[in-house]
Amino acid sequence: QKEVEQDPGPLSVPEGAIVSLNCTYSNSAFQYFMWYRQYSRKGPELLMYTYSSGNKEDGRFTAQVDKSSKYISLFIRDSQPSDSATYLCAMSSSGGSYIPTFGRGTSLIVHP
Amino acid sequence: DADVTQTPRNRITKTGKRIMLECSQTKGHDRMYWYRQDPGLGLRLIYYSFDVKDINKGEISDGYSVSRQAQAKFSLSLESAIPNQTALYFCATSDSSGSGNEQFFGPGTRLTVL
Repeated sequence: QKEVEQDPGPLSVPEGAIVSLNCTYSNSAFQYFMWYRQYSRKGPELLMYTYSSGNKEDGRFTAQVDKSSKYISLFIRDSQPSDSATYLCAMSSSGGSYIPTFGRGTSLIVHP
Repeated sequence: DADVTQTPRNRITKTGKRIMLECSQTKGHDRMYWYRQDPGLGLRLIYYSFDVKDINKGEISDGYSVSRQAQAKFSLSLESAIPNQTALYFCATSDSSGSGNEQFFGPGTRLTVL
C-alpha cells in the first residue's frame, strides 16, 4: 500500500459543478498538506497549502484536512473548463526533511 | 523569464546512450530535486540536494546520477539509457528558509528511449 492514495479518475463534471477531490494517507507523522495543479505538458504548481488539521479557503478552492481519519480533500466551487487539469495531493513532515510524498494525481475534466 | 528552466524540453535517444538533463533556477533556492512522472504512477523522487555539497538518493535512483554544479544548477544523467527510463522528468526547487514545503517545478523534459 502506498503512503498516499489518490484515485486517478478521470473525473468529468459539467461547468458550474462542485468538485471534490480526495486523498488518504497512512503516515500519521504528516503535518503539511498540499494540493498541486498540473496542466497538460506543464510542471505542477502549488494551489493550496495547509498545516495540520482544518480548512483553508482561497477563492473557489477549499482545502480540508482531517488528521483523525487521515483524509484530505480539495473542493472546487463553480468549476470552470479552465480548471481541467490533474490535481496532485502531497504531504510532508519535519521528520522527512519536508520532502513531499505525492499522490498519483486525479485527472479532472470540466466540460462546458 | 521562467524561474526554473530545464533543457532539453524533448529528447529522443537510443538504448545505451548517455544522456544529461539540465536544470537551472533563478529563485535563489538552496534545495533542488529531480522527479520522474509516469502515467498512473505519479511523481517519483530520483535524487535531491539540500545544498551544493549535499546529494541524496530518492525513491528510484538506480540507473541515474546527479551533479550539483552550483546552487543554481542541478543536472541529471542517465549513464546508459534503457527504454523503461522513457518518462517525463521534472526538476523542482524549494527554499529551506521559508516553509520548506512549497516546491517550484520546471516545465519538464520529455525523454524517449528507443
